[in-house]
Amino acid sequence: KQEVTQIPAALSVPEGENLVLNCSFTDSAIYNLQWFRQDPGKGLTSLLLIQSSQREQTSGRLNASLDKSSGRSTLYIAASQPGDSATYLCAVEPGGNNRLAFGKGNQVVVIP
Amino acid sequence: GAGVSQTPSNKVTEKGKYVELRCDPISGHTALYWYRQSLGQGPEFLIYFQGTGAADDSGLPNDRFFAVRPEGSVSTLKIQRTERGDSAVYLCASSLNSGNEQFFGPGTRLTVL
Repeated sequence: KQEVTQIPAALSVPEGENLVLNCSFTDSAIYNLQWFRQDPGKGLTSLLLIQSSQREQTSGRLNASLDKSSGRSTLYIAASQPGDSATYLCAVEPGGNNRLAFGKGNQVVVIP
Repeated sequence: GAGVSQTPSNKVTEKGKYVELRCDPISGHTALYWYRQSLGQGPEFLIYFQGTGAADDSGLPNDRFFAVRPEGSVSTLKIQRTERGDSAVYLCASSLNSGNEQFFGPGTRLTVL
């Protein structure tokens, strides 16, 4: 069974600092990996999707890397802003079964 | 519509009652997924539809849970004889095809008293 772990569970950073969020997964045979943002009481907003053949994806201030062989992904958020405060969820799609396996999330607070 | 929509946004029911939760996927998306999220946890997979058929229902916790997608678009998650442990946020997602990026709805918060 695929296990997804996100460290740290929670962190606070001052505005302007870069954020580094880590995700690890136990089975490297994944089809893709997706990062989501979740605001309190809301659904999930897709941030980035990395296919298994890719090493990274970028969107604006966000960059996600994937190292499939070591079972790791990192989400970088440059020059953090208070509006980046949210829970960030990492999810992997194990090869062939079309379901996402989620971590518990990184709860981020950006202090103005 | 522009995104995945779910109704109702909140549902409060009594133990033993029957509930239905509805999901409207993004137009043209053939794959539809249901997940359940408890407080402080990541979402957990329940069931996946490709078109009208349930391609994988292995995440449904027991036979009180059932889902349909009769016309390959809207889906309904049905829970019989609800229990307090069923209280959670039920999330629906859709993707263009299986294996593509999944887009989530706002969820339905179910509370069983």
